[in-house]
Amino acid sequence: QVQLQESGPGLVKPSETLSLICNVTGASISSYYFSWIRQSPGKGLEWIGYIHESGSTNYNPSLKSRVTMSADTSRNQFSLKLTAVTAADTAFYYCARDRLPHLVLYALDIWGPGTAVTVSS
Amino acid sequence: SSELTQDPAVSVALGQTVRITCQGDSLRFSFASWYQQKPGQAPVLVVYDKTHRPSGIPDRFSASASGDTASLTITGAQAEDEADYFCNSRDVTSNHAIFGGGTKLTVL
Repeated sequence: QVQLQESGPGLVKPSETLSLICNVTGASISSYYFSWIRQSPGKGLEWIGYIHESGSTNYNPSLKSRVTMSADTSRNQFSLKLTAVTAADTAFYYCARDRLPHLVLYALDIWGPGTAVTVSS
Repeated sequence: SSELTQDPAVSVALGQTVRITCQGDSLRFSFASWYQQKPGQAPVLVVYDKTHRPSGIPDRFSASASGDTASLTITGAQAEDEADYFCNSRDVTSNHAIFGGGTKLTVL
């Protein structure tokens, strides 16, 4: 059974860099596209971007200047870095896998439980 | 436009049928997917490719689409269906994902 698990600091200071890891177990990350999505308290879902093991990425234009995603196939995990964070970046962060390999469908059928990140001094 | 619009809240009597809609230009060119999110939990995919259900999703969940509108229908709503429902699709211009604002479903 494929499982995703996000991890990282729960508290980040303003202007610093938020770094999260999504660890994948039960299957290889090879061939699939993985997305990061966030949800501010009481709000809807915001797609941050996707990463493929090949290094291919696509970022939400509203965050593109601050986002970097990378994949580590040896560890079967991928990461999200968001620079220059502000209180507006306080949210629950999820990683999720697209449903079929090799395709960007945005039909995200496997999600991690998410991790809460607060931006505060 | 790269937005998907959903009604913020919808209610349904137990056992009755409810339809949740999602509207946006991207839906003319790209399939919608639907997610159910219960409090404190991650979203769960309930419909993809406009009408297909992942395994384990009850058949009371169905979906359709026409023009710029996609709909999720729950036939015979159950108490456990009370949740937030989000649609998403692809913005065909930029190839990035977009989500609707979500609909809070209350089962009375």
